[in-house]
Amino acid sequence: AQKVTQAQTEISVVEKEDVTLDCVYETRDTTYYLFWYKQPPSGELVFLIRRNSFDEQNEISGRYSWNFQKSTSSFNFTITASQVVDSAVYFCALKGDKLIFGTGTRLQVFP
Amino acid sequence: EAGVAQSPRYKIIEKRQSVAFWCNPISGHATLYWYQQILGQGPKLLIQFQNNGVVDDSQLPKDRFSAERLKGVDSTLKIQPAKLEDSAVYLCASSLDGRSNEKLFFGSGTQLSVL
Repeated sequence: AQKVTQAQTEISVVEKEDVTLDCVYETRDTTYYLFWYKQPPSGELVFLIRRNSFDEQNEISGRYSWNFQKSTSSFNFTITASQVVDSAVYFCALKGDKLIFGTGTRLQVFP
Repeated sequence: EAGVAQSPRYKIIEKRQSVAFWCNPISGHATLYWYQQILGQGPKLLIQFQNNGVVDDSQLPKDRFSAERLKGVDSTLKIQPAKLEDSAVYLCASSLDGRSNEKLFFGSGTQLSVL
Protein backbone atom coordinates (compact mmCIF):
# COMPACT_ATOMS: atom_id res chain seq x y z
CA ALA A 1 0.00 0.00 0.00
CA GLN A 2 1.09 3.54 -0.65
CA LYS A 3 0.91 6.32 1.89
CA VAL A 4 2.06 9.92 2.19
CA THR A 5 2.31 11.58 5.60
CA GLN A 6 2.58 15.31 6.13
CA ALA A 7 2.63 15.55 9.89
CA GLN A 8 2.63 19.34 10.01
CA THR A 9 -0.95 20.53 9.64
CA GLU A 10 -0.18 24.23 9.84
CA ILE A 11 2.97 26.33 10.09
CA SER A 12 3.14 30.06 10.76
CA VAL A 13 6.29 32.08 10.18
CA VAL A 14 7.26 35.69 9.84
CA GLU A 15 8.53 36.94 6.51
CA LYS A 16 12.20 36.19 5.77
CA GLU A 17 12.27 33.15 8.03
CA ASP A 18 13.28 29.81 6.54
CA VAL A 19 10.71 27.03 6.77
CA THR A 20 10.84 23.29 6.06
CA LEU A 21 7.79 21.23 5.16
CA ASP A 22 8.13 17.54 5.95
CA CYS A 23 6.96 14.63 3.81
CA VAL A 24 7.34 10.95 4.61
CA TYR A 25 6.13 8.28 2.23
CA GLU A 26 5.56 4.54 2.15
CA THR A 27 5.63 2.33 -0.91
CA ARG A 28 6.69 -1.16 -1.93
CA ASP A 29 7.37 -0.07 -5.49
CA THR A 30 11.00 0.19 -6.55
CA THR A 31 10.14 2.75 -9.22
CA TYR A 32 8.05 5.69 -8.14
CA TYR A 33 7.81 9.46 -8.42
CA LEU A 34 7.46 12.14 -5.79
CA PHE A 35 5.88 15.53 -6.31
CA TRP A 36 5.20 18.76 -4.49
CA TYR A 37 2.21 20.91 -5.39
CA LYS A 38 1.19 24.34 -4.07
CA GLN A 39 -2.48 25.24 -3.56
CA PRO A 40 -2.95 29.01 -3.17
CA PRO A 41 -6.27 30.46 -1.99
CA SER A 42 -7.52 30.51 -5.59
CA GLY A 43 -7.79 26.73 -5.38
CA GLU A 44 -5.86 25.28 -8.29
CA LEU A 45 -2.91 23.06 -7.44
CA VAL A 46 0.33 24.21 -9.05
CA PHE A 47 3.16 21.80 -9.79
CA LEU A 48 6.47 22.63 -8.07
CA ILE A 49 8.79 19.67 -8.50
CA ARG A 50 9.04 16.03 -9.48
CA ARG A 51 11.64 13.43 -8.41
CA ASN A 52 12.00 9.82 -9.49
CA SER A 53 13.06 7.12 -7.06
CA PHE A 54 16.47 6.69 -8.64
CA ASP A 55 17.46 10.32 -8.40
CA GLU A 56 18.43 11.35 -4.88
CA GLN A 57 20.12 14.51 -5.97
CA ASN A 58 18.84 17.50 -4.05
CA GLU A 59 17.49 20.39 -6.03
CA ILE A 60 17.45 24.13 -5.58
CA SER A 61 15.24 26.50 -7.51
CA GLY A 62 15.51 30.07 -6.36
CA ARG A 63 14.29 30.20 -2.75
CA TYR A 64 12.98 26.63 -2.94
CA SER A 65 14.99 23.51 -2.24
CA TRP A 66 14.12 19.85 -1.89
CA ASN A 67 15.88 17.11 0.08
CA PHE A 68 15.12 13.53 -1.02
CA GLN A 69 16.41 10.73 1.22
CA LYS A 70 15.41 7.18 0.33
CA SER A 71 16.98 5.85 3.53
CA THR A 72 14.36 7.69 5.59
CA SER A 73 11.64 7.74 2.89
CA SER A 74 11.45 11.49 3.10
CA PHE A 75 11.12 14.26 0.55
CA ASN A 76 11.28 17.54 2.46
CA PHE A 77 10.73 21.00 1.03
CA THR A 78 12.49 24.13 2.31
CA ILE A 79 11.58 27.72 1.53
CA THR A 80 14.40 30.14 2.26
CA ALA A 81 13.60 33.74 3.20
CA SER A 82 9.85 33.16 3.07
CA GLN A 83 7.53 35.77 1.60
CA VAL A 84 3.86 36.53 2.12
CA VAL A 85 3.14 35.18 -1.39
CA ASP A 86 4.34 31.77 -0.21
CA SER A 87 1.22 31.47 1.95
CA ALA A 88 -0.66 28.44 0.64
CA VAL A 89 -1.34 24.78 1.30
CA TYR A 90 1.48 22.54 0.12
CA PHE A 91 0.90 18.93 -0.87
CA CYS A 92 3.41 16.15 -1.20
CA ALA A 93 2.35 13.34 -3.55
CA LEU A 94 3.59 9.86 -4.47
CA LYS A 95 3.01 8.14 -7.80
CA GLY A 96 3.41 4.40 -8.05
CA ASP A 97 0.47 2.84 -9.81
CA LYS A 98 -1.71 5.68 -8.48
CA LEU A 99 -1.06 9.28 -7.50
CA ILE A 100 -1.60 9.63 -3.74
CA PHE A 101 -1.59 13.02 -2.01
CA GLY A 102 -0.73 13.78 1.58
CA THR A 103 -3.12 15.79 3.72
CA GLY A 104 -1.22 19.00 3.10
CA THR A 105 0.56 21.60 5.22
CA ARG A 106 -0.93 25.06 5.46
CA LEU A 107 1.82 27.68 5.48
CA GLN A 108 1.04 31.18 6.67
CA VAL A 109 3.70 33.80 6.21
CA PHE A 110 3.07 37.01 8.13
CA PRO A 111 4.61 40.35 7.18
CA GLU B 1 -1.80 28.85 -22.98
CA ALA B 2 -5.27 28.49 -21.49
CA GLY B 3 -5.47 26.43 -18.33
CA VAL B 4 -7.98 23.85 -17.19
CA ALA B 5 -11.44 25.42 -17.06
CA GLN B 6 -14.11 24.31 -14.62
CA SER B 7 -17.65 25.46 -13.93
CA PRO B 8 -19.50 26.31 -11.88
CA ARG B 9 -17.14 27.75 -9.28
CA TYR B 10 -19.62 27.19 -6.44
CA LYS B 11 -22.75 25.09 -6.06
CA ILE B 12 -25.15 24.72 -3.15
CA ILE B 13 -27.78 21.99 -3.25
CA GLU B 14 -29.93 20.04 -0.86
CA LYS B 15 -29.34 16.39 -0.17
CA ARG B 16 -30.93 14.00 -2.64
CA GLN B 17 -30.74 16.58 -5.42
CA SER B 18 -28.54 16.05 -8.46
CA VAL B 19 -25.64 18.20 -9.63
CA ALA B 20 -23.24 18.27 -12.57
CA PHE B 21 -19.78 19.75 -12.98
CA TRP B 22 -18.03 20.57 -16.23
CA CYS B 23 -14.36 20.52 -17.15
CA ASN B 24 -12.46 21.63 -20.24
CA PRO B 25 -8.85 20.41 -20.13
CA ILE B 26 -5.82 22.00 -21.70
CA SER B 27 -5.92 21.63 -25.46
CA GLY B 28 -4.11 18.50 -26.63
CA HIS B 29 -4.07 16.79 -23.24
CA ALA B 30 -5.17 13.20 -23.63
CA THR B 31 -5.55 12.41 -19.94
CA LEU B 32 -8.22 13.93 -17.71
CA TYR B 33 -8.74 13.39 -14.00
CA TRP B 34 -11.49 14.18 -11.52
CA TYR B 35 -10.42 14.55 -7.89
CA GLN B 36 -12.48 15.05 -4.74
CA GLN B 37 -10.91 17.21 -2.05
CA ILE B 38 -12.69 17.16 1.30
CA LEU B 39 -11.85 20.03 3.64
CA GLY B 40 -8.54 19.42 5.39
CA GLN B 41 -7.59 16.49 3.18
CA GLY B 42 -5.55 15.95 0.06
CA PRO B 43 -7.21 15.37 -3.30
CA LYS B 44 -8.50 11.85 -3.91
CA LEU B 45 -8.78 10.47 -7.42
CA LEU B 46 -12.32 9.65 -8.50
CA ILE B 47 -11.79 8.80 -12.16
CA GLN B 48 -9.11 8.99 -14.84
CA PHE B 49 -9.80 9.14 -18.58
CA GLN B 50 -7.37 8.48 -21.39
CA ASN B 51 -8.98 10.20 -24.37
CA ASN B 52 -12.61 9.05 -24.03
CA GLY B 53 -11.86 5.76 -22.27
CA VAL B 54 -11.83 5.13 -18.51
CA VAL B 55 -8.42 4.13 -17.12
CA ASP B 56 -9.24 4.06 -13.41
CA ASP B 57 -12.58 4.52 -11.66
CA SER B 58 -11.88 2.27 -8.69
CA GLN B 59 -12.62 5.01 -6.15
CA LEU B 60 -15.72 6.39 -7.85
CA PRO B 61 -18.93 5.68 -5.86
CA LYS B 62 -20.71 4.32 -8.88
CA ASP B 63 -24.10 4.09 -7.20
CA ARG B 64 -24.33 7.88 -7.23
CA PHE B 65 -21.43 9.30 -9.23
CA SER B 66 -21.01 9.13 -12.98
CA ALA B 67 -18.63 10.78 -15.40
CA GLU B 68 -18.19 10.93 -19.11
CA ARG B 69 -15.76 12.38 -21.58
CA LEU B 70 -17.46 12.31 -24.92
CA LYS B 71 -15.20 13.01 -27.91
CA GLY B 72 -12.18 12.85 -25.63
CA VAL B 73 -12.16 16.55 -24.76
CA ASP B 74 -14.65 18.05 -22.27
CA SER B 75 -15.88 16.05 -19.32
CA THR B 76 -18.83 16.15 -16.95
CA LEU B 77 -19.08 14.67 -13.48
CA LYS B 78 -22.53 14.04 -12.06
CA ILE B 79 -23.79 13.21 -8.60
CA GLN B 80 -27.29 11.82 -8.23
CA PRO B 81 -28.56 11.79 -5.54
CA ALA B 82 -26.19 13.92 -3.46
CA LYS B 83 -25.42 13.15 0.16
CA LEU B 84 -24.15 15.44 2.90
CA GLU B 85 -20.73 13.75 2.79
CA ASP B 86 -20.33 14.77 -0.87
CA SER B 87 -19.62 18.34 0.27
CA ALA B 88 -16.13 18.96 -1.09
CA VAL B 89 -14.15 20.69 -3.80
CA TYR B 90 -14.17 18.79 -7.08
CA LEU B 91 -10.98 19.34 -9.00
CA CYS B 92 -10.40 18.55 -12.63
CA ALA B 93 -6.87 18.04 -13.90
CA SER B 94 -5.28 17.13 -17.20
CA SER B 95 -1.93 15.89 -18.44
CA LEU B 96 -0.38 15.30 -21.82
CA ASP B 97 -0.53 11.53 -22.06
CA GLY B 98 -0.86 10.02 -18.59
CA ARG B 99 2.72 8.86 -18.08
CA SER B 100 3.77 8.15 -14.51
CA ASN B 101 6.14 11.07 -14.18
CA GLU B 102 3.89 13.65 -15.76
CA LYS B 103 2.88 16.74 -13.89
CA LEU B 104 -0.81 17.48 -13.69
CA PHE B 105 -2.42 20.79 -14.49
CA PHE B 106 -5.38 21.57 -12.24
CA GLY B 107 -8.42 23.76 -12.57
CA SER B 108 -9.65 25.98 -9.74
CA GLY B 109 -12.31 23.47 -8.78
CA THR B 110 -16.02 23.48 -8.01
CA GLN B 111 -16.89 23.90 -4.36
CA LEU B 112 -20.00 21.85 -3.59
CA SER B 113 -22.04 22.32 -0.44
CA VAL B 114 -24.78 19.78 0.24
CA LEU B 115 -27.29 20.96 2.85
